[in-house]
Amino acid sequence: EVQLVESGGGLVQPKGSLKLSCAASGFDFNSYGMSWVRQAPGKGLDLVADISSKSYNYATYYADSVKDRFTISRDDSQSMVYLQMDNLKTEDTALYYCTVLGRTGTFDYWGQGVMVTVSS
Amino acid sequence: DIVLTQSPALAVSLGQRATISCRASQSVSISRYNLMHWYQQKPGQQPKLLIYRASNLASGIPARFSGSGSGTDFTLTINPVQADDIATYYCQQSRESPMYTFGAGTKLELK
Repeated sequence: EVQLVESGGGLVQPKGSLKLSCAASGFDFNSYGMSWVRQAPGKGLDLVADISSKSYNYATYYADSVKDRFTISRDDSQSMVYLQMDNLKTEDTALYYCTVLGRTGTFDYWGQGVMVTVSS
Repeated sequence: DIVLTQSPALAVSLGQRATISCRASQSVSISRYNLMHWYQQKPGQQPKLLIYRASNLASGIPARFSGSGSGTDFTLTINPVQADDIATYYCQQSRESPMYTFGAGTKLELK
């Protein structure tokens, strides 16, 4: 059974930092891209960042809204994926989901999500 | 970016057919592959993949769900609608890799 467990969320002031973690199990982690998708309260889904597998040289993608502020990384030895979030803005307030990225660009599995609130 | 447009809400009676549409701002098809996918999100839960590449049921999804379409116009059909299907449904394109985008979602409500 695929499991994705996010952690690291919380309340942070504007311009602050947080690091989200996602522990993955139940599938061949090394072979899949991983992503973070967020959902602001009462809103839809937005891809934040993704990272490919080693086979694709750990290529990364960032949404324009987070470029130069967020950094996605992974540790294949621990089946972990991370999202370092710096210079946070109030508009980054959202539920952040860790997902498994399928081979044709689908978000195959989703974690329960972790809440990030940016407020003074 | 490819923009996906969905109607905000759809009201349907239990046992009836629900048809949810998604229109893309440009084609999301490459040769015979239609790179449009559908997700279900129930209140308080994470989204779940329902249909991939326009018409393929994801693992464990009941056969009352189906998808169709090509180019810029796609449809998710639920027939018959059951109480457990009340949720918000999102379309998502992977034609423009890696800039995957979602529609704003269609909330399926009971009439």
